Amino acid sequence: KNEVEQSPQNLTAQEGEFITINCSYSVGISALHWLQQHPGGGIVSLFMLSSGKKKHGRLIATINIQEKHSSLHITASHPRDSAVYICAATNFGNEKLTFGTGTRLTIIP
Amino acid sequence: GAVVSQHPSWVICKSGTSVKIECRSLDFQATTMFWYRQFPKQSLMLMATSNEGSKATYEQGVEKDKFLINHASLTLSTLTVTSAHPEDSSFYICSASLGEDPTDTQYFGPGTRLTVL
Repeated sequence: KNEVEQSPQNLTAQEGEFITINCSYSVGISALHWLQQHPGGGIVSLFMLSSGKKKHGRLIATINIQEKHSSLHITASHPRDSAVYICAATNFGNEKLTFGTGTRLTIIP
Repeated sequence: GAVVSQHPSWVICKSGTSVKIECRSLDFQATTMFWYRQFPKQSLMLMATSNEGSKATYEQGVEKDKFLINHASLTLSTLTVTSAHPEDSSFYICSASLGEDPTDTQYFGPGTRLTVL
């Protein structure tokens, strides 16, 4: 069992739909990251959060420390949002990131 | 925002040769740099952590004599894949952290795709 698990693994939606990607972790963490990996492989850090909720444009990330669960939401999804979204946990006590296997999101025009 | 570059972005080499990949923090000084490897359709796996001026810390199962890491300055870390073999073909990604706090954001480079023939 992976220490960081994401669901769903693949998600296809129509443009404009509200998207939710979930991440559960079993390790003690100091922070939770959401990353976006484009088809070329480049990775962009979207959010880093340790509590509550963060919002950036159409993206919202939430975390529930007690339940060891985080969600990434995309409102008014657009084809350019198509990418792999990766959840990663910073293990408590060191800087090492443990990555989920990613969610491949495809938004159809 | 903080930018991390990698060079080259892709490289093809013959089996047995060595390949050097550079990771640079362009507009900040990175106390810590990380090297990751990603095989197709798999998640990133941490290979090693390097701090400027000290030896890298390798993850279990990563051969330090095969994957040489040098972090000579606060803006540059290099990964050299020595005597590369086809099984070393992978996507190598570096990231850089501003500080030593575990919650410091990591900024990722664009990655280097290595193909060993």
